[in-house]
Amino acid sequence: DQQVKQNSPSLSVQEGRISILNCDYTNSMFDYFLWYKKYPAEGPTFLISISSIKDKNEDGRFTVFLNKSAKHLSLHIVPSQPGDSAVYFCAGGHDQAGTALIFGKGTTLSVSS
Amino acid sequence: SQTIHQWPATLVQPVGSPLSLECTVEGTSNPNLYWYRQAAGRGLQLLFYSVGIGQISSEVPQNLSASRPQDRQFILSSKKLLLSDSGFYLCAWGGGANYGYTFGSGTRLTVV
Repeated sequence: DQQVKQNSPSLSVQEGRISILNCDYTNSMFDYFLWYKKYPAEGPTFLISISSIKDKNEDGRFTVFLNKSAKHLSLHIVPSQPGDSAVYFCAGGHDQAGTALIFGKGTTLSVSS
Repeated sequence: SQTIHQWPATLVQPVGSPLSLECTVEGTSNPNLYWYRQAAGRGLQLLFYSVGIGQISSEVPQNLSASRPQDRQFILSSKKLLLSDSGFYLCAWGGGANYGYTFGSGTRLTVV
């Protein structure tokens, strides 16, 4: 059972425009969600998170929106830059000790100049 | 500051050979530790996690095992590698909504 789904394997955007990466989940018990960014041959790095009791969290060019009724979250990058080109992973987590993050399959973002 | 070390960076192993990947964390005590694998088309798959010495939870049945002999050391092993074990293996520590996990730099394993 895939608890976290990223249905778009890739996304291409022009520099300066908005990038919108989507994520759906099936487990309504997640306490928070996170987005990670990954370059080839490197480990993922934490980008931004959102608690399940919030509907928006913003950090600079990155904003995450959460729609609990739809079990959907999205990451907005504005404006997009070529350096944003990477694989983006969505993950769901629980506050309960001894549990692990569940990741989606990732979306490859390509930002062209 | 906390750092995580993972080695080797790349590894090419024949089918049927053993495997040992090591991960160590510095600057923290009693961390939660995780092994993930990134394989083509499968995203980041959780393999094992540990909340303390000798405590290992396995998420998927497979040809791999994990051990935590020391507080800040996490080892991924296999007695006999399969072709399907190829992938990018990532160790991570931490947890929580504010900062999530810190990942190591990964090991690219190719089984030939």
